[in-house]
Amino acid sequence: GAVVSQHPSWVICKSGTSVKIECRSLDFQATTMFWYRQFPKQSLMLMATSNEGSKATYEQGVEKDKFLINHASLTLSTLTVTSAHPEDSSFYICSARRLPHAGTDTQYFGPGTRLTVL
Amino acid sequence: ILNVEQSPQSLHVQEGDSTNFTCSFPSSNFYALHWYRWETAKSPEALFVMTLNGDEKKKGRISATLNTKEGYSYLYIKGSQPEDSATYLCAFMGDSNYQLIWGAGTKLIIKP
Repeated sequence: GAVVSQHPSWVICKSGTSVKIECRSLDFQATTMFWYRQFPKQSLMLMATSNEGSKATYEQGVEKDKFLINHASLTLSTLTVTSAHPEDSSFYICSARRLPHAGTDTQYFGPGTRLTVL
Repeated sequence: ILNVEQSPQSLHVQEGDSTNFTCSFPSSNFYALHWYRWETAKSPEALFVMTLNGDEKKKGRISATLNTKEGYSYLYIKGSQPEDSATYLCAFMGDSNYQLIWGAGTKLIIKP
């Protein structure tokens, strides 16, 4: 149990276009979902935390108008990279947590999305 | 700025040998320490969540220890097998905002 899917697994787009990435919890309800970004050989960096039905909380330095997050249901969160530029090329990965606030609860990860902006 | 360091960055181990690596984290405001295993092209998978100083957890041939006073955790793998090849990530959670702060991982390669 506790499977998270992410789609697409990789995407190449032209500069200026928008890209939507979906994160789905397949067999559980995710009250909280997290979006991370990872540059090569670096740590996972939290971009934002989203709770179902409310606005996402963005980390310092992450532009909310550029990285639109929607958590419309307990099984789906989407990240839209708007007007993508080459510097947005990165590995984006989501995770989901079942409980609304439990520091010891496991986060279940999707397999990630490799975004390349030309 | 909270920092989580993992060492070494990468490690080549002969099949059958045992190995260990380190996660260093802030020694104050500790709440939990998470270990994950991330195989190439797959999703990171939770190994352990540790909360108590001196705690030791075990899952098959993999075990982990925790020292919250000095801010480190060790992950041990006994009798390494090729399927152990993966990147092992640790993440620190403080009691101020309960967010995970991730290390960059230790990439383990088991040589047959």
